[in-house]
Amino acid sequence: GNSVTQMEGPVTLSEEAFLTINCTYTATGYPSLFWYVQYPGEGLQLLLKATKADDKGSNKGFEATYRKETTSFHLEKGSVQVSDSAVYFCALIPGGGSNYKLTFGKGTLLTVNP
Amino acid sequence: DVKVTQSSRYLVKRTGEKVFLECVQDMDHENMFWYRQDPGLGLRLIYFSYDVKMKEKGDIPEGYSVSREKKERFSLILESASTNQTSMYLCASSFLGLSISYNEQFFGPGTRLTVL
Repeated sequence: GNSVTQMEGPVTLSEEAFLTINCTYTATGYPSLFWYVQYPGEGLQLLLKATKADDKGSNKGFEATYRKETTSFHLEKGSVQVSDSAVYFCALIPGGGSNYKLTFGKGTLLTVNP
Repeated sequence: DVKVTQSSRYLVKRTGEKVFLECVQDMDHENMFWYRQDPGLGLRLIYFSYDVKMKEKGDIPEGYSVSREKKERFSLILESASTNQTSMYLCASSFLGLSISYNEQFFGPGTRLTVL
């Protein structure tokens, strides 16, 4: 079956630190990969996505590269801000067939201190 | 601006009550989804619908039903609420994918349901 494994949190960083949140996946075919973010008290928002191998998704200073050889999609940001404090979810849609059902990881809580 | 709204942000119900959670989207999306979110478990799909009156079970449909009478509205029903259904419920919508390219899911703010 399809599954997403992301690093367990919580992750606590100081402002301007480098962020990595690891994500690996198991899926049939060639999945599309996503990072969603959930700010306190809100629903999820799409942060970035990549739909084929070696694609790099980027948004708001965050980046993730689709690595088929390692089945990974790690989220990175060079310098985090307090406003980046949120829960981050890695997710996939498997290739072919049901191309609208997301499978999520369990989420990683990030806290950035000033 | 894209919008998915949910009828309540917070809801408290008693065991055995029938509970309705409403979701409305204004984007003319074909797909609509109900998830529950629990600490340490992430988001799990309860039901989804790809058209009016059409529905499919997700990963955890037991104890839930859904209704989609109009394209913009998708309701989640707890026929007889139990304490283990205390959770955050998130609704989402998206266009129906007609190719391998993905259409983003847009989420509502969530309803935090407590069953006493």
